Amino acid sequence: GAVVSQHPSRVICKSGTSVKIECRSLDFQATTMFWYRQFPKQSLMLMATSNEGSKATYEQGVEKDKFLINHASLTLSTLTVTSAHPEDSSFYICSASPGWGETQYFGPGTRLLVL
Amino acid sequence: DQQVKQNSPSLSVQEGRISILNCDYTNSMFDYFLWYKKYPAEGPTFLISISSIKDKNEDGRFTVFLNKSAKHLSLHIVPSQPGDSAVYFCAASATAGNTGKLIFGQGTTLQVKP
Repeated sequence: GAVVSQHPSRVICKSGTSVKIECRSLDFQATTMFWYRQFPKQSLMLMATSNEGSKATYEQGVEKDKFLINHASLTLSTLTVTSAHPEDSSFYICSASPGWGETQYFGPGTRLLVL
Repeated sequence: DQQVKQNSPSLSVQEGRISILNCDYTNSMFDYFLWYKKYPAEGPTFLISISSIKDKNEDGRFTVFLNKSAKHLSLHIVPSQPGDSAVYFCAASATAGNTGKLIFGQGTTLQVKP
């Protein structure tokens, strides 16, 4: 149990385009999903907390207009990187939690490369 | 401000021996701690967790110890196997805040040599 999927696993796009990444909890309902970003050889940095039916909570320094988050249902959250630039190239990982204070289960990650 | 620290970036142990990975934290509000294992280009895999009401939690070859007074936790893997080679992250959460946010350490790369 506790499987989280992400799609796509890898995406290459041109600078200025927008990219949507989906995160799904496959066998449980997730009131809360989280979006992380990881640069090479660094830790996971929380970008935002996504709550079903409400606006996402962004961490300090994360541009909410650039990283649009939609948590449309209890099993799906999407992250859209708008007007992507090469510096947005990174590994994006989502996680989902069945409830408050419970273990987060991570998706496999999405490698974004912006040319 | 690094609230969760893994001061050893890497660790190398012999197969069959014990691996001990350490983690320190500064925020006294943290009351739930987790260890994740991560391979390159993959998402972290949950290993084991511990609540602050305990000082030890064991699951098979993995044991996590928590020393609240020292704000220190450790993950013991015994016996270590080559398949355990990966990056290990500790993470902490303050459940009282009900945000569910995890704060991660920088990670320790474990290499288990056959």
